Amino acid sequence: GAVVSQHPSWVICKSGTSVKIECRSLDFQATTMFWYRQFPKQSLMLMATSNEGSKATYEQGVEKDKFLINHASLTLSTLTVTSAHPEDSSFYICSARPRLAGPYEQYFGPGTRLTVT
Amino acid sequence: AQSVTQLGSHVSVSEGALVLLRCNYSSSVPPYLFWYVQYPNQGLQLLLKYTTGATLVKGINGFEAEFKKSETSFHLTKPSAHMSDAAEYFCALDGGFKTIFGAGTRLFVKA
Repeated sequence: GAVVSQHPSWVICKSGTSVKIECRSLDFQATTMFWYRQFPKQSLMLMATSNEGSKATYEQGVEKDKFLINHASLTLSTLTVTSAHPEDSSFYICSARPRLAGPYEQYFGPGTRLTVT
Repeated sequence: AQSVTQLGSHVSVSEGALVLLRCNYSSSVPPYLFWYVQYPNQGLQLLLKYTTGATLVKGINGFEAEFKKSETSFHLTKPSAHMSDAAEYFCALDGGFKTIFGAGTRLFVKA
């Protein structure tokens, strides 16, 4: 149980276009989902926290107009990178916290590799 | 402020040798501490966690970690390394609002 999927697993897009990444909790309801960004050979940096039905909370330095997060249901959150540029190329990982979970419990998706050309 | 420091960005051991990955933390509240493993181009897999209770925590794949409050440490160990243990390992702290990750330690296992 507690499986989180991400789609696509990798995507290549041209500079200036937008790309959407989906994060789904497959066998549980997630009231909270987290989006992380990981640069090569570096740690995960939290970008934003999304709660179902409300606006996402972005970490300092993360442009909310560039990284649009929508947590439309208890099993789906999406991250849209708008007007992507090469510097947005990264590994994006989501995690999901089950509805009745403890405050520390979260399950990670497999990640999405974004390359902007 | 909360922080996690992993000592050593790279650790190399021989197959069968002891694995020791170091993690120190700083937290103003009782921390929840975690170790995750990441294989190339994959997400994170939870190895073990400390929340409350017993300070020696056993996880998957033969790993264990000991929470030492006096030393603010949560080092990860495994008695005998396998080739399959080669990966990136992250120590993380959760103070209730968000998870803070260490910089990661890449473990190399030599045959």
